Amino acid sequence: EVRLVESGGGLVQPGGSLRLSCVASGFTFSSYEMNWVRQAPGKGLEWISHISYSGTTINYADSVKGRFTISRDNARKSLFLQMNTLRAEDTALYYCTRGTSSDYWGQGTLVTVSS
Amino acid sequence: DIQMTQSPSSLSASVGDTLTITCRASQSVSNSLNWFQQKPGKPPKLLIYGASNLPSWVPSRFSASGFGTDFTLVISSLQPEDFATYYCQQSSTTPRTFGQGTKLEMK
Repeated sequence: EVRLVESGGGLVQPGGSLRLSCVASGFTFSSYEMNWVRQAPGKGLEWISHISYSGTTINYADSVKGRFTISRDNARKSLFLQMNTLRAEDTALYYCTRGTSSDYWGQGTLVTVSS
Repeated sequence: DIQMTQSPSSLSASVGDTLTITCRASQSVSNSLNWFQQKPGKPPKLLIYGASNLPSWVPSRFSASGFGTDFTLVISSLQPEDFATYYCQQSSTTPRTFGQGTKLEMK
């Protein structure tokens, strides 16, 4: 069974940092590109970053470019999102998803940016 | 960036109805178009990939078509569990933009 489990969310002050993790199981993690997608409370979905299966190709949405860094550790079957200089508008539920079509999603981890 | 526009933004329907949701891209995405269903408090679930392909877990009452800039999702014989919010997403280029969503409510 494919499973994606996010962690690392929480309450952080504006300007602060958080590191999100997503642990994968049930499939060959090193064969799939991965994404982070977020959803602000009561709002729609926003794709924010993608990393290729090998980690050599990385892309970001303009809204997070220069502040967020995606990475992966294929040996640990883990995806990461380092989030720096957080803003109130980064408050959202953050999901990791598998593949170009996002065929599997985790349950999400909530990030709240507030003073 | 490619803009994805869904219509309608909301829709009221009854069990047994057949309905269509459309998604338009601001430039061609070929067949790199996905549809997702999201219920309150749950993560989205993939409904359609590659514009018209159903994953194994999706009932056959869902169908989709399109190529280039214009896409449709059709739900035939609506069931109670189909009342949800639906999103399209293009995966042709980054950023992999989503439509704003279509909320399907029970009439």
